[in-house]
Amino acid sequence: DAGVIQSPRHEVTEMGQEVTLRCKPISGHNSLFWYRQTMMRGLELLIYFNNNVPIDDSGMPEDRFSAKMPNASFSTLKIQPSEPRDSAVYFCASSLMGTPSYNEQFFGPGTRLTVL
Amino acid sequence: AQSVTQLDSHVSVSEGTPVLLRCNYSSSYSPSLFWYVQHPNKGLQLLLKYTSAATLVKGINGFEAEFKKSETSFHLTKPSAHMSDAAEYFCVVSNMDSNYQLIWGAGTKLIIKP
Repeated sequence: DAGVIQSPRHEVTEMGQEVTLRCKPISGHNSLFWYRQTMMRGLELLIYFNNNVPIDDSGMPEDRFSAKMPNASFSTLKIQPSEPRDSAVYFCASSLMGTPSYNEQFFGPGTRLTVL
Repeated sequence: AQSVTQLDSHVSVSEGTPVLLRCNYSSSYSPSLFWYVQHPNKGLQLLLKYTSAATLVKGINGFEAEFKKSETSFHLTKPSAHMSDAAEYFCVVSNMDSNYQLIWGAGTKLIIKP
């Protein structure tokens, strides 16, 4: 398996523009997580899906952020409009949740977002 | 409720000396515990995990951790540090309390002195 795939790996955009980050989880995994990592705030869970359904989006910072999972093999995180304070590394992770033995998360390489 | 406390934000050791990264947790149920490693400008990689089997868990790159229920600890150790071990290490807990989500510690940055 190729692991969790994220695209793009780097994104530079201007304030006010729409940004879409993409994630393909590991085949067979039933849960998907979006994280944001910054120097100031560390690693933050933004939202997670189980069986393509959003379960907890309490970490989404504000209405400018939205996430979708239209099927088991694809998810997007959208920021519209983007702001400089959104600059961070965004990680996607997937896991097979339900029992302790299987809930380790596998991380993608991340997308480094810079908003000018 | 559950939580994870990594007792040191930074640990500095000389190459070839032992490494100890400390982690304490609180959990109402039997936890699963993990250590993840993040090298500079890289993603997060699972180092090792405890899921109610053997209390001494061996991971990649010579690391191991011991689950001590009485002390609610899951410290990470390595007998001899290597320059390539310089990274940030995260202790993580999961159980029924969190619906099996991962609860992350704040991280410990390991610095290796030549």
